[in-house]
Amino acid sequence: GNSVTQMEGPVTLSEEAFLTINCTYTATGYPSLFWYVQYPGEGLQLLLKATKADDKGSNKGFEATYRKETTSFHLEKGSVQVSDSAVYFCALSSFSGNTGKLIFGQGTTLQVKP
Amino acid sequence: DSGVTQTPKHLITATGQRVTLRCSPRSGDLSVYWYQQSLDQGLQFLIQYYNGEERAKGNILERFSAQQFPDLHSELNLSSLELGDSALYFCASSSGTGGPDTQYFGPGTRLTVL
Repeated sequence: GNSVTQMEGPVTLSEEAFLTINCTYTATGYPSLFWYVQYPGEGLQLLLKATKADDKGSNKGFEATYRKETTSFHLEKGSVQVSDSAVYFCALSSFSGNTGKLIFGQGTTLQVKP
Repeated sequence: DSGVTQTPKHLITATGQRVTLRCSPRSGDLSVYWYQQSLDQGLQFLIQYYNGEERAKGNILERFSAQQFPDLHSELNLSSLELGDSALYFCASSSGTGGPDTQYFGPGTRLTVL
C-alpha cells in the first residue's frame, strides 16, 4: 500500500542554519505530495504542495521538489528562525478510489535555538 | 484561521462512555475528512464524507461512526470508549471537486479517556 517515511526527529538547529527534512514515499500511480506544519497546540497548516514530477512547491522560504526517480520530497529552508519550531509532516494523496485522503509520515519535530 | 471549526476543543470522559465530536467545514467545501493523531499511531485517516455520503473509510473502529448532515457539518461518534482512544481528532475539509485539492484542517478535539 501507499506509505510515507520521514527522517526521525527531533532535529535541533541554531537560528539561520540550513534545514533539510527527508521524506520518501511509496505509491502507485502519480500521487500529489504535501508538507504540513503543526505549531504547538494548533491544527495542521498546509506549508506547500506539488502535484506532479519535478514540480517545486515553495512557501515562507521553504521548498520541496517532487522527485519521481528517487520517490522523494525533501523539505529545505536556507535559514531557519526560532518561529519555525514545529512538527513537520510529509503526506501524499493518490486520489485512487475517488478519495483525496492523506497518508502521513510520522512527523519530524524541529527545534530552532536562538 | 483555516475556516474549519471543531467543537469541543477538549473532552474528558470515562471508559465505556460515548461522545460526539462536531466539525463545520469551510464555506463551500463538500468533503469532510476525519483523522486521529495519537502518539503510537501517528496521524491516521479515519473516514471521508462527500456531500452527505460516505466516500472512503480508513482505519476506523466499528465502535466509531460518522455522518455528514444536509448543511454539510459532520459528526464523529465514538462509543464504548477505551483508554487507547485518547487522542487528538482532526477534521479537514476540501472542495471535493477531485484532483489535488487542498485539505484545510480544524484545530482538533483533544479526547482524554480516564
